[in-house]
Amino acid sequence: GAVVSQHPSWVICKSGTSVKIECRSLDFQATTMFWYRQFPKQSLMLMATSNEGSKATYEQGVEKDKFLINHASLTLSTLTVTSAHPEDSSFYICSAQAGGTETQYFGPGTRLLVL
Amino acid sequence: RKEVEQDPGPFNVPEGATVAFNCTYSNSASQSFFWYRQDCRKEPKLLMSVYSSGNEDGRFTAQLNRASQYISLLIRDSKLSDSATYLCAASEAGGSEKLVFGKGTKLTVNP
Repeated sequence: GAVVSQHPSWVICKSGTSVKIECRSLDFQATTMFWYRQFPKQSLMLMATSNEGSKATYEQGVEKDKFLINHASLTLSTLTVTSAHPEDSSFYICSAQAGGTETQYFGPGTRLLVL
Repeated sequence: RKEVEQDPGPFNVPEGATVAFNCTYSNSASQSFFWYRQDCRKEPKLLMSVYSSGNEDGRFTAQLNRASQYISLLIRDSKLSDSATYLCAASEAGGSEKLVFGKGTKLTVNP
């Protein structure tokens, strides 16, 4: 149980394009999903917290207009990196949390390379 | 100000060794604590939650010391497959769902 999928697993795009990443909880309903970014040899940095049916809560320093998050259902959240630039190249990981628990289960991550 | 700190290592140990990692957290209101392992270029995977009374899962033992604000992970009889980066995580204050992660401690178990 507690399987989280993420798609795509990797993407290479040109600077200025937008990239959409999907995060799905496959066998449980996730009331809350989290989006993280991890640069090489760095810790996981929380970008935003996403609750189903409401606006995402962004961490300080994360541009909400650049990183669009939609959590339309209890099993799906999407992160769209708009007008991507090379400095957005990173490992983006989502996690999902079932209601009433604090354990987070991670998706396999998406490697983004912006040329 | 770092909220969760870990010794980055690397720890290089022979197979069969016992190795311990510590992790300190700065927020005394943190309620929940976890250890995750992360393999190279992979996502973190939950290893175990850390309970106040300490808990054990096979070769792994986790302990929490609230007075000193640290958690520990002990790995006994280490295997080659234990090689990974171990991340500790603490919930934010006030029962928030958010977790704050340390940078991780890298472990390499050598044959």
